[in-house]
Amino acid sequence: QKEVEQNSGPLSVPEGAIASLNCTYSDRGSQSFFWYRQYSGKSPELIMSIYSNGDKEDGRFTAQLNKASQYVSLLIRDSQPSDSATYLCALDQTGANNLFFGTGTRLTVIP
Amino acid sequence: KAGVTQTPRYLIKTRGQQVTLSCSPISGHRSVSWYQQTPGQGLQFLFEYFSETQRNKGNFPGRFSGRQFSNSRSEMNVSTLELGDSALYLCASSYVTGEAFFGQGTRLTVV
Repeated sequence: QKEVEQNSGPLSVPEGAIASLNCTYSDRGSQSFFWYRQYSGKSPELIMSIYSNGDKEDGRFTAQLNKASQYVSLLIRDSQPSDSATYLCALDQTGANNLFFGTGTRLTVIP
Repeated sequence: KAGVTQTPRYLIKTRGQQVTLSCSPISGHRSVSWYQQTPGQGLQFLFEYFSETQRNKGNFPGRFSGRQFSNSRSEMNVSTLELGDSALYLCASSYVTGEAFFGQGTRLTVV
């Protein structure tokens, strides 16, 4: 059983702060990693994808991947109340659109 | 560009009945995968289709089945519904592999 582990939270940060979300995984063969955001009652929305070691930045979001340590993280800079949601870490098990999800971290940004 | 479209959005069924859910992927996307989301189990992979062929299947009973048509549209069927099948069913599409985009989901309630 391939596992993806996330701290379920809740994680609370003040508006304008950096939110740091972490995820570890057990399958060393995993190649593709994704972060999704899910608002209550809505479907998951893709935020970032990362495939190689290092950092990948997109606006206020930075994904970090360390395959040797088997972790992937998401940093949200200048957090806004609209960032309050559950963040799901996912990896592609087989390279065939077969995502294995963590249980998600609930983030609350306090105005 | 239209997103992933799932129909219907809501369904109420009785135990023992069967149900068919539909998913139209983003234009040009050839891979469609299905997921079940429940509060207790989170997001779980059901199966994935590419070019009308099932490439991967998750750990669900045979009551859950699917298919994909030549235009990449997909359907999933659940037979002999049980109360525990109540969930949000999500489909996601991707070009071949990589980034997957979710539809709004079908909320199934079994009574």
